[in-house]
Order: sequence, then structure tokens, then C-alpha cells
Amino acid sequence: EVQLVESGGGLVQPGGSLRLSCAASGFTFSSYWMHWVRQAPGTGLVWVSRVNRDGSSTGYADSVKGRFTISRDNAKNTLYLQMDSLRAEDTAVYYCAGFYYDSRGYYDHDYWGQGTLVTVSS
Amino acid sequence: QAVVTQEPSLTVSPGGTVTLTCGSSTGAVTSGHYPYWFQQKPGQAPRTLIYDTSNKHSWTPARFSGSLLGGKAALTLSGAQPEDEAEYHCLLSYSNWVFGGGTKLTVL
Repeated sequence: EVQLVESGGGLVQPGGSLRLSCAASGFTFSSYWMHWVRQAPGTGLVWVSRVNRDGSSTGYADSVKGRFTISRDNAKNTLYLQMDSLRAEDTAVYYCAGFYYDSRGYYDHDYWGQGTLVTVSS
Repeated sequence: QAVVTQEPSLTVSPGGTVTLTCGSSTGAVTSGHYPYWFQQKPGQAPRTLIYDTSNKHSWTPARFSGSLLGGKAALTLSGAQPEDEAEYHCLLSYSNWVFGGGTKLTVL
């Protein structure tokens, strides 16, 4: 069974840090581009960050650039998001998602976790 | 960073047809933006319905279709069912990804 399980969310004060993890199982993790997507309560999805299959290339939304760092450990089948200098507006459910592209580079399918809630408040 | 716009909310009658759109602040949406459409129900993670403008997964009901329409990406639902009531999110690819604000679709 394919699973993506996020953990590490919780309550943190403004200016603080959190590290989210996303444990993958049931599929070949190293073959997937991985993303973090967040959703503040009652609002739409916001793309946060992505990392390529071997971790050598990353991308960030302007709103988190310089504060968040995405990484992955293919040996542990785990994706990470280090979040520093957190702000109230970072409060959201954070989803990890894996996207698979075929040998020609075309999208084929994706998997999503159920999310972990991050609350930034004093 | 580009801004992607969707209708905040739409209502469709059971059995009716509705079109959701997805526009880009940078100009016309093209196939080069690889438009995705996701369906999300309360308390659930998003699920991909449409990818690369108009391609469907095996689980995508036939009543959903994707296209480019008037410079925007479009998701058309023909023959709406009560279970189609959900939030629909579009995603466009630029140098990075940008989601629209989502459309809350009510079947009533």
C-alpha cells in the first residue's frame, strides 16, 4: 500500500523553527519528484517547495525562499522541510506529494499524504 | 511570481453543466503551463482529476473534461452529481508551480 505520512507539525512561536518529515512507503521513493504544498484553514492550496529525484535541485515559492529548506534522504525514503523564521502566515496544513514522470519526462501519476498542521502563534 | 485566478465559488444543479476556469496574470494559459486540476473534499488530501490540460486518470469520471478556453484552462463538468460537490484547485507550471485560489463547487 502506498503511503506518505507527514510528521513534525505543531505549535511554534513566531521566529521559531520546525522540521517536517514525510515518510514514504509502498513505492520507489527515489523515482519521484517530491513537493511540499500547504493550505491555510479555509483557503486554497499553495505550492511551497520541490526537490528532484536525487536531491540535487530544489525550488521554492517566493514567500518561503531563504527561510525554508527542502531535502530528502532516499536511503530512508524520507522527505524533509526545515522551516526557520516562522511567521503567523505560515500557519497551515502541510502536505507532501510525490510526482512521477515517465522516461520521456511526461507526468504519469502522483501520491499525496494526509498533511500535518503547523500553527505559528505566540 | 505569477498569480493564478479561479472563480471563488460556483453552483450547479444536479445533472447540469458548469465550467471552472483558471487564468494567469502573465497572459494566456497554454499547454506549456501543463494545467492540472485537483479535486479536494473536506478533510481529505487533493486528488488529481486532470493533467496536462486534458488528460484523465483511470479514476477520473468521464463527466469531467479539461481544455483551454479563451486564454484560460478550463474544467467542465457535464451531468453534475451530488458527490462532485468539492473544492477544485488548478495548478500551472512556470519556473515553479502556482496554484489558483480554488473554486468551491456546490451541487444544488
